[in-house]
Amino acid sequence: EAGVAQSPRYKIIEKRQSVAFWCNPISGHATLYWYQQILGQGPKLLIQFQNNGVVDDSQLPKDRFSAERLKGVDSTLKIQPAKLEDSAVYLCASSLLRLTPGQPYEQYFGPGTRLTVT
Amino acid sequence: DQQVKQNSPSLSVQEGRISILNCDYTNSMFDYFLWYKKYPAEGPTFLISISSIKDKNEDGRFTVFLNKSAKHLSLHIVPSQPGDSAVYFCAASRRGGGNKLTFGTGTQLKVEL
Repeated sequence: EAGVAQSPRYKIIEKRQSVAFWCNPISGHATLYWYQQILGQGPKLLIQFQNNGVVDDSQLPKDRFSAERLKGVDSTLKIQPAKLEDSAVYLCASSLLRLTPGQPYEQYFGPGTRLTVT
Repeated sequence: DQQVKQNSPSLSVQEGRISILNCDYTNSMFDYFLWYKKYPAEGPTFLISISSIKDKNEDGRFTVFLNKSAKHLSLHIVPSQPGDSAVYFCAASRRGGGNKLTFGTGTQLKVEL
């Protein structure tokens, strides 16, 4: 079974430029997550999709970050314009749709995209 | 507000000995806890989990203990192996939270020969 794919793996941009990241989840996984992991911290959820709908985007800085999952499969995360504090690893994860309450489904993570903003 | 805390940024253990990684949480609504392991340049991978209705869950060399009254959980690895050297993240989710995970800051485990 293929894992979660992400590209690019590394990106260096100057502040105020824009950047986009791509994620292809595991086949059949209805739920897709984007996390931001700043050096020395744990991953922080930015946005969660269920199929092509947004479940949670409460921690997404909407003035500069946007994400879409138009066909309910792959997804893109965009930053425009980038700031120095956006330097981080951006992780994509996917999981099955949770049908029973209480037990969270295991999230499978991609390798991440390391973004450096100079 | 850091709801999941891992106060030890690093831990060094000799091969064959026990590794104990600790995690504290503040949100009493959390009802499921997970441990993820992360190697450099890779995404985190799921290791073991525990529901709040249990106090222990074991899987091979890995055991997670949960103390709800203290809002504390720990991961025991025994015996520790060099391949266990990685960053370990504690994560928590709550009923009705839509599978959202709140992660701790991680503990770097180094298993020395």
